[in-house]
Amino acid sequence: GQNIDQPTEMTATEGAIVQINCTYQTSGFNGLFWYQQHAGEAPTFLSYNVLDGLEEKGRFSSFLSRSKGYSYLLLKELQMKDSASYLCAVDDYKLSFGAGTTVTVRA
Amino acid sequence: DTGVSQNPRHKITKRGQNVTFRCDPISEHNRLYWYRQTLGQGPEFLTYFQNEAQLEKSRLLSDRFSAERPKGSFSTLEIQRTEQGDSAMYLCASSFAGGNQRTEAFFGQGTRLTVV
Repeated sequence: GQNIDQPTEMTATEGAIVQINCTYQTSGFNGLFWYQQHAGEAPTFLSYNVLDGLEEKGRFSSFLSRSKGYSYLLLKELQMKDSASYLCAVDDYKLSFGAGTTVTVRA
Repeated sequence: DTGVSQNPRHKITKRGQNVTFRCDPISEHNRLYWYRQTLGQGPEFLTYFQNEAQLEKSRLLSDRFSAERPKGSFSTLEIQRTEQGDSAMYLCASSFAGGNQRTEAFFGQGTRLTVV
């Protein structure tokens, strides 16, 4: 079966850094995605990791360790608009999602 | 291309009725996924297609749910004899996968189903 775990909620202050961890155990693995979802909207793509290591994209970075079944999403210089749910998704052919981490950014 | 399109955006139905949702994926995408999402949860996998072939269906899905993707283009998701527990957002996504190439999945805006 599939098991994708991430924290339920995180709170941080504007301008700070937050790291969202994701651990997974899946029957297949072709890569790991991170999506952002604002309330009432569809998920939108943030990053994709296939190989081990860090991928940086502006204020957002994502890390993958395939041997540990572990990834994290790093959000730097937090802005109020970053308040959203962040979804970890494993490309196990069918694309399986975690429950999401709700990040609240406080002024 | 305008992205993934889902219709209708909202559907209110009485318990016991059948409903059908449509998804038009990005034209060059060969994979199409259906998910169900409830408040505070991540998207729950329902089924996915590669071209016209339905490759996997969630074991959690009852026989009341069926999906088709004729000709490998648009897809429909039908729920028969709806129950109040079926109330949720139904999301469709599409992507391309071939050889070593993969794109991210692009999501439609979803169909919100309310069963009364």
